[in-house]
Amino acid sequence: GAVVSQHPSWVICKSGTSVKIECRSLDFQATTMFWYRQFPKQSLMLMATSNEGSKATYEQGVEKDKFLINHASLTLSTLTVTSAHPEDSSFYICSARADSYTIYFGEGSWLTVV
Amino acid sequence: GESVGLHLPTLSVQEGDNSIINCAYSNSASDYFIWYKQESGKGPQFIIDIRSNMDKRQGQRVTVLLNKTVKHLSLQIAATQPGDSAVYFCAERGGYNKLIFGAGTRLAVHP
Repeated sequence: GAVVSQHPSWVICKSGTSVKIECRSLDFQATTMFWYRQFPKQSLMLMATSNEGSKATYEQGVEKDKFLINHASLTLSTLTVTSAHPEDSSFYICSARADSYTIYFGEGSWLTVV
Repeated sequence: GESVGLHLPTLSVQEGDNSIINCAYSNSASDYFIWYKQESGKGPQFIIDIRSNMDKRQGQRVTVLLNKTVKHLSLQIAATQPGDSAVYFCAERGGYNKLIFGAGTRLAVHP
């Protein structure tokens, strides 16, 4: 079946640096992808909607300059956490919409900022 | 963000019993609902979905019930097994096809 792949699965970075997480739809084209953040023992919080060829739409309270989203192709969206700080440490999950009623999730990416 | 819970409620059941997990959704205009299972350290796994024009849908060992009057969704798992232990989230599709997740419930299955 369709698969959404995230890379890296886990990453450790130093405070102040930037880190990029990729989300790929492997066997379908996704004009829309979504990025979520999940803290331990909490739900998935929608951060932004990534639209191929246009700017991402961010949810209220999410800093667009800190969480840069690029959806340059129909199979790839990237999330860049800029000037990362320890409070940005979290589990980041992407999903890709295959059709009106089908959304596939990636396996998530663990970010630890030290 | 939306629908962020501070604490996950836990439902403890005996192996072989039926489980019922409940969810209250927020948007009366939501037209599509999904139940997900999430195991530790992994992404959400699709379990079953239901459209707003239905009030019940059955899958293999799982049933979803939708009550639009009170904006309530439930997931019933028959003959719960240890492998069902996980966190379960309901999600509603609102504007712009965004999926918004509920707070989640941890299901603990005891032998």
